[in-house]
This record gives sequence, structure tokens and C-alpha cells, in this order.
Amino acid sequence: DVKVTQSSRYLVKRTGEKVFLECVQDMDHENMFWYRQDPGLGLRLIYFSYDVKMKEKGDIPEGYSVSREKKERFSLILESASTNQTSMYLCASSTNPPGTLGGYTFGSGTRLTVV
Amino acid sequence: GESVGLHLPTLSVQEGDNSIINCAYSNSASDYFIWYKQESGKGPQFIIDIRSNMDKRQGQRVTVLLNKTVKHLSLQIAATQPGDSAVYFCAEVSNDYKLSFGAGTTVTVRA
Repeated sequence: DVKVTQSSRYLVKRTGEKVFLECVQDMDHENMFWYRQDPGLGLRLIYFSYDVKMKEKGDIPEGYSVSREKKERFSLILESASTNQTSMYLCASSTNPPGTLGGYTFGSGTRLTVV
Repeated sequence: GESVGLHLPTLSVQEGDNSIINCAYSNSASDYFIWYKQESGKGPQFIIDIRSNMDKRQGQRVTVLLNKTVKHLSLQIAATQPGDSAVYFCAEVSNDYKLSFGAGTTVTVRA
């Protein structure tokens, strides 16, 4: 069964900490995405990547950065965590172009709380 | 900017009845749409997809209808079961492969 795996289900971090959220996919997908999900706002795109070492800003990139050193791994970095970054973070991957194998595949999410 | 939205934030349905979840989109250039189901504490799970050159697509107990004239998408669930209780999202895929989601519809199945 194909998978997108996020390393942590729950994280609690302090304001100002540097936070790393890891995502690994085993489907050899070209595209990987990071979303955050907040009540009433749905899923919003933070960053995405079409290939190794490339990245593109999504709709809400402020306060975040990403790293894609290997095709299967896409990391989201909170340079200095703030309380307004408390959220559910979802990683996804897709083929290029999407539309085969059910489109996008999501991980189970990481619920981050910044205190 | 472009947006994808769902008509109703909540839907309550009797077990065994059919459910219809609606979605309006605004980007007429989108050519691929996906419905997702998200259960509490889990990531979105693919249900069914449809391309813009189709009007209807059926899966197991689910049917997606696409009306390009009015930019409307719907998901029909036949014989709704308690396990269908979840939040349902429609999403459209843009030319650069990004997904745009609506806020979601919470479906509650009454026994």
C-alpha cells in the first residue's frame, strides 16, 4: 500500500523554537506539498516542490521554509515558532501530472501546538 | 483569487438514505477535481475524482457529478452508513498541479 508518512502525530513546542516537520513518501512521486488545516479555513497551501532541491511558495509561506534534498523527503521548517502556527499540518504527494493512482495522497497529519 | 467552496457546512442524514454534498468552483480553467473524506484525527482520504471532459463518474456507493456550465460539483453517497460520518472536501487542481480546497462539509449519520 502506498504511503505518505509524517514523522510525528503530535508535537508541542515553545515559542521561538525552530521546528522541523518531516514527510516521506514511498511512491516515487515528483510533487510534494505542505498544507495547514485550521477550523473554518480548510486546507491552505504553504509550500510545494516539483523536484529535488526546488521549492515554490504557496498561499501562506510566511514564517515557514522547506527543504527537499531527496525525492522522497520533504521537510517543513518553522524558523521561529509562534502561537499562530498552532495547527494541523498535512503533507501530500502526487504524480506529475496528477490524475493517476487517485490523484494526491495525504499523510495522517501532524498536530502542532506552540505554547 | 479563485476559490472552491461547499454550499453547506453541515449535513445530517438518516442511515440508509442517500447523501448529496455540493460544491461550487470558480476557476473555469480547472480540469481535474477530487473529493476527499477526512475522519477525525486523520489526513484526507481520496474518494473519487473526475476530469472536466466527463459529466459523471461512479465508484463504490459514490457518484460524482460535474456541471461545467454552472461550475458545480456534487458527491452522492448511496445508502449512507455510520462509517460515512466525516468531513468531506472538494478540491480542484490548477494548471500547476496545486490543490485548492473548500472549507468542507461535516456529514453526520443518524442511526
